Amino acid sequence: NAGVMQNPRHLVRRRGQEARLRCSPMKGHSHVYWYRQLPEEGLKFMVYLQKENIIDESGMPKERFSAEFPKEGPSILRIQQVVRGDSAAYFCASSPPIGTTGQGGYTFGSGTRLTVV
Amino acid sequence: GENVEQHPSTLSVQEGDSAVIKCTYSDSASNYFPWYKQELGKRPQLIIDIRSNVGEKKDQRIAVTLNKTAKHFSLHITETQPEDSAVYFCAAIIQGAQKLVFGQGTRLTINP
Repeated sequence: NAGVMQNPRHLVRRRGQEARLRCSPMKGHSHVYWYRQLPEEGLKFMVYLQKENIIDESGMPKERFSAEFPKEGPSILRIQQVVRGDSAAYFCASSPPIGTTGQGGYTFGSGTRLTVV
Repeated sequence: GENVEQHPSTLSVQEGDSAVIKCTYSDSASNYFPWYKQELGKRPQLIIDIRSNVGEKKDQRIAVTLNKTAKHFSLHITETQPEDSAVYFCAAIIQGAQKLVFGQGTRLTINP
């Protein structure tokens, strides 16, 4: 089991460009979550998705940010027209349904470190 | 929604001593409480968790306690070692929901 795979590990974008962050969940996991971590800060929830559905996007900025988890392929977090304040580590996590026997926590990917210059 | 408060934000202890990190949560419907360890530049990793039907859980040098009445839970690390130095996050999830809400984190430093 390869775990949660995120790519790229590091991404540099100029202001105004688009950033695309990818996340492939663990095998057997159907739930994907995106978190943002600013330097020296905690993990802030952004969005929770299941296949083809956004379940909770209460942490997503209203503009420029979008997420999807298509039927086939990885989950994508898209940031349009990036600004310097978007520079952060973006972590993806996956889980089976909470309450599944023996499982309850998230497994995190290694993150994508976005730098906007 | 759920809100999780974590204290202290930084903690420094001598190697071999114990470390305790405390968290409180707001929603009494929360029923699952994991703890994550994050080393510098790395992913958060689950180190221990506890469900609301259990008051205490131990795994070698790490233990977690839960007080549902007071809505707080704590991480205890005994016989600390330099490799325990990291940022620790508590979290809570509401029964029936899927979203983990994290505390602000505690930077633990073990002094040799």
